[in-house]
Parts: sequence; structure tokens; C-alpha cells
Amino acid sequence: AQTVTQSQPEMSVQEAETVTLSCTYDTSESNYYLFWYKQPPSRQMILVIRQEAYKQQNATENRFSVNFQKAAKSFSLKISDSQLGDTAMYFCAFMTTSGTYKYIFGTGTRLKVLA
Amino acid sequence: DAGVIQSPRHEVTEMGQEVTLRCKPISGHNSLFWYRQTMMRGLELLIYFNNNVPIDDSGMPEDRFSAKMPNASFSTLKIQPSEPRDSAVYFCASSFGTGVGGTQYFGPGTRLTVL
Repeated sequence: AQTVTQSQPEMSVQEAETVTLSCTYDTSESNYYLFWYKQPPSRQMILVIRQEAYKQQNATENRFSVNFQKAAKSFSLKISDSQLGDTAMYFCAFMTTSGTYKYIFGTGTRLKVLA
Repeated sequence: DAGVIQSPRHEVTEMGQEVTLRCKPISGHNSLFWYRQTMMRGLELLIYFNNNVPIDDSGMPEDRFSAKMPNASFSTLKIQPSEPRDSAVYFCASSFGTGVGGTQYFGPGTRLTVL
């Protein structure tokens, strides 16, 4: 069975600095997708970034980028130039491509950006 | 695109009452997911539909919970009778299978309080 682990329950970072959130997963499959979602205090779940496992290039979306290490089964999220609006809960999620479209979510990391 | 629409946004009810949560997925999406989020248990997948057919309801906690998807543009999650431990935020999400990497788009959630 697939599992997703986020080992940092809480983190904080100074505004304008860089922070990295970690995520590891376990699967025997070779083809899958990985996601980071952000949940601000408004509780809306917002897609931050997506990575296809067959792509070696790390995904990037503006200030957000990932470090995808397939062999190590690691998928960390780097936030550069942190902003107060980045304060949120961040969830890592895994989805197999084997016919079901279910996500396996991690337990989340609460990030606080300090002024 | 209006995104995933959920109603009501907030629901307060008394123990024993029937509660119905509603969801309108993004037009063209063929998969729909119901999640429950609590502090204790995090994000839990309750049930998901593909092409209006329930595929996996193993996350539905008990017979008091039921979900339907009568057509591609509407789904309901019903709790009857409701209990205080059902208090949570319920999210609906939709996706287009593995299109766009199977990305799920979430609604704003319904915060349910059972007194």
C-alpha cells in the first residue's frame, strides 16, 4: 500500500527567506503523480505544484519548486522569497496512474511566515 | 469556470437530524471525491465516483452516511441520523481522470457542526 509521510508538523520562516518542506512516500509503482496543496486559514485547498514521476525535471511554479528524488522517494517543496500569504497548511499527495484516481495525502505541515 | 461549488458553506444541526451536503463538480470532469477533514484524523477520503458510478466507498464511516451522484453535474452526501462526532469540514473535489495529471480541484468545503 502506498503511504505519504510529512515529518515536519510545524515550521516557521522569516518573510523573504527560503523554506523547504519535506515529503517522502512509499510505492512499488513506477508511474505516478505527486502534488503539493496549500490550505490557508480560509480552508480552501489550492493546488501549488504537480510532478509527473516519469519526468526527471523538477516542476517549478513561480516561487515554488520541488526537489523530486525518485530513487529516494522524496518530494520536497521549496518556497523562495516567502510571503505572509504563504502562511498555510501544506499537504503532499500521491496518486497512482494504475486506474484509480485516489490521492493518498500526508498529514500536513503547518507553515507560518513571520514578518 | 466557476470551480467546484458546495452548499451549504456552514451547517449547524442537532443530533439525530438528517444532513444533506451538495456538490457541483467542474463541468467536463468525470471523477468526484468526497473528503472529511478533522483535527484528529486529517483528510479522509469517504467515497469517489467515476462517470457517476461509485467506485470506492471504503472510507464511508458507517451506514449513516450515503452518497449519490444522479448525474454528471450533481452529487450529495447525506448523514442520517447525524451525531456530534460527524462535526467536521466536508470537501468535494473533482478531476478529469488522469487528464492534467489527475489533478483534483477542491470546493470551498462545508463546515458541519452537530450539537
